[in-house]
Amino acid sequence: QVQLVQSGAEVKKPGASVKVSCKASGYTFTSYDINWVRQATGQGLEWMGWMNPNSGNTGYAQKFQGRVTMTRNTSISTAYMELSSLRSEDTAVYYCARGPFRSYGLNWGQGTLVTVSS
Amino acid sequence: SYVLTQPPSVSVAPGQTARITCGGNNIGSKSVHWYQQKPGQAPVLVVYDDSDRPSGIPERFSGSNSGNTATLTISRVEAGDEADYYCQVWDSSSDRPWVFGGGTKLTVL
Repeated sequence: QVQLVQSGAEVKKPGASVKVSCKASGYTFTSYDINWVRQATGQGLEWMGWMNPNSGNTGYAQKFQGRVTMTRNTSISTAYMELSSLRSEDTAVYYCARGPFRSYGLNWGQGTLVTVSS
Repeated sequence: SYVLTQPPSVSVAPGQTARITCGGNNIGSKSVHWYQQKPGQAPVLVVYDDSDRPSGIPERFSGSNSGNTATLTISRVEAGDEADYYCQVWDSSSDRPWVFGGGTKLTVL
């Protein structure tokens, strides 16, 4: 069955960077986009960006431009999301989600809690 | 940018029908997708492309979309349906193409 397994929780200091991984299995990794969505505690869902694992093409929400980088390693079917210059407002659960081009999240990872605290 | 509006909460008795709305300008021209999220869990897609169900989602979940309102309908509501529900569209003109509604808390009385 399709699975997206994310890396474990992280605690970072303000100004640091975090890199979250999302390992895919059960389907052809390069056939679906990977989107990243975050959710602060008690808040709604916030889309951060997408990546085409086949081409490596990416698109980021303007809010995160310059701070976020989405990459992949097709040999191990893993996508990565790196967020830099972390601040307390970046404390959230980060999800990867696979889906058809420009549409919806068909399957989601279990989420990775990133805590930014001095 | 495109805005989706959901009621913060909906309450329904077990066995009844719950309807959760998602309002947006001419949303009927877009494909609407719905997610269920239970506390501490990742979102789960329950309806995509207005009215299609992914494999494994009960037929009790259905969707419709017309004009300025899309609706997720849950028939014969069960206690296990209590969750937050989010609508989502893909909007090419938005800075964030995946546009989410603010979410609706479904309470089963």
